[in-house]
Amino acid sequence: DIQMTQSPSFLSASVGDRVTINCKASQNINRYLNWYQQKLGEAPKLLIYNANSLQTGIPSRFSGSGSGTDFTLTISSLQPEDVATYFCLQHNSWPYTFGAGTKLELK
Amino acid sequence: QVTLKESGPGILQPSQTLSLTCTFSGFSLSTYGMGVGWIRQPSGKGLEWLANIWWDDDKYYNPSLKNRLTISKDTSNNQAFLKITNVDTADTATYYCARIDWGIPFAYWGQGTLVTVSS
Repeated sequence: DIQMTQSPSFLSASVGDRVTINCKASQNINRYLNWYQQKLGEAPKLLIYNANSLQTGIPSRFSGSGSGTDFTLTISSLQPEDVATYFCLQHNSWPYTFGAGTKLELK
Repeated sequence: QVTLKESGPGILQPSQTLSLTCTFSGFSLSTYGMGVGWIRQPSGKGLEWLANIWWDDDKYYNPSLKNRLTISKDTSNNQAFLKITNVDTADTATYYCARIDWGIPFAYWGQGTLVTVSS
């Protein structure tokens, strides 16, 4: 199985900050990496698919980059509504595997 | 508008079979490229992919569940199903179904259904 190592596990930032979250795959997954946002008590929401494609309806302050084994989710200017846990998912190989999550809170 | 909704037994006992239903609207599982997947999340923990089924009835399972899983669909009634045999307390989780859009997994999710395994 491909292991997805997500960092940091916990992140505290201020409104307006630029925030980056990383996922590292244990082997090459090309660009088959999605990012999801999960707010407390809610289902996950797709933000970015295939490493850098913004899902319809997602604010442009969210962006994704990377290929191969190293990927980054960036929030260009943190907003209060971005408080959530963020997960990555690799869908290059079976079984699909998720990162352990990054919990983002406001400072 | 795409919606998905999971339903399940709520609580069941160890060794029983868990049967989950995903009822969806806004798309058809007979459409080329469409699929539905199941994912679970123990309380306060991360996400685990379980199984996918596609429009052509192709299926993939997470081997970590050691042949306990069966995924199926009823295209006419816009439903997908997941069965997990011989459940244990470790299967206690919120179970989600989610749509797969031609190569983009889990673009839309249901609200989840909590399943508790307890004697």
